[in-house]
Amino acid sequence: GENVEQHPSTLSVQEGDSAVIKCTYSDSASNYFPWYKQELGKGPQLIIDIRSNVGEKKDQRIAVTLNKTAKHFSLHITETQPEDSAVYFCAASSPDGGNKLVFGAGTILRVKS
Amino acid sequence: NAGVTQTPKFQVLKTGQSMTLQCAQDMNHEYMSWYRQDPGMGLRLIHYSVGAGITDQGEVPNGYNVSRSTTEDFPLRLLSAAPSQTSVYFCASSTQGRRAEAFFGQGTRLTVV
Repeated sequence: GENVEQHPSTLSVQEGDSAVIKCTYSDSASNYFPWYKQELGKGPQLIIDIRSNVGEKKDQRIAVTLNKTAKHFSLHITETQPEDSAVYFCAASSPDGGNKLVFGAGTILRVKS
Repeated sequence: NAGVTQTPKFQVLKTGQSMTLQCAQDMNHEYMSWYRQDPGMGLRLIHYSVGAGITDQGEVPNGYNVSRSTTEDFPLRLLSAAPSQTSVYFCASSTQGRRAEAFFGQGTRLTVV
């Protein structure tokens, strides 16, 4: 089945700097890659996603890039703010079908002010 | 604007006890799923359902049962709790389709002593 690896496990940046989180996946049939943000005591919430027919997608300060050949995708956050501090998860849709998502282990992002 | 509602938020069980974690959604979503979240392991799929009367196993189903008698509700049952089931449990729902956004509940923090 699908396997998703995520790095780094923790990331500390200074407010205003950029943050990059990287994920790799194993199954070339996967074609949907969402990113979720989880704040303390809450459930994960979708922040951006990308489909396999697109190489890059932006939404204000966040962007996601996808390299299908290398089977990796990345989350980029520019001009980080303290409210960006959270746990971020990448995921890939399972080729088994349906809506099953396989998640990475998560990245704890700390933005220092 | 309820979305996905999980109850209870916190629970302590003794080894061998049984209990049911409740999950309800008001978005008329066909797809519902249960994940457990453990430190350093991301979210792992326990069971999922593609519609009323249809359920299937995910990555870590042992020790858990589910049923789906209505579109709205998807309870998770622990038949005989074990310390290894200490975790945070999340219920999620989405429309059908591999690229549908998953909406998560707030989670249930379960401790088995």
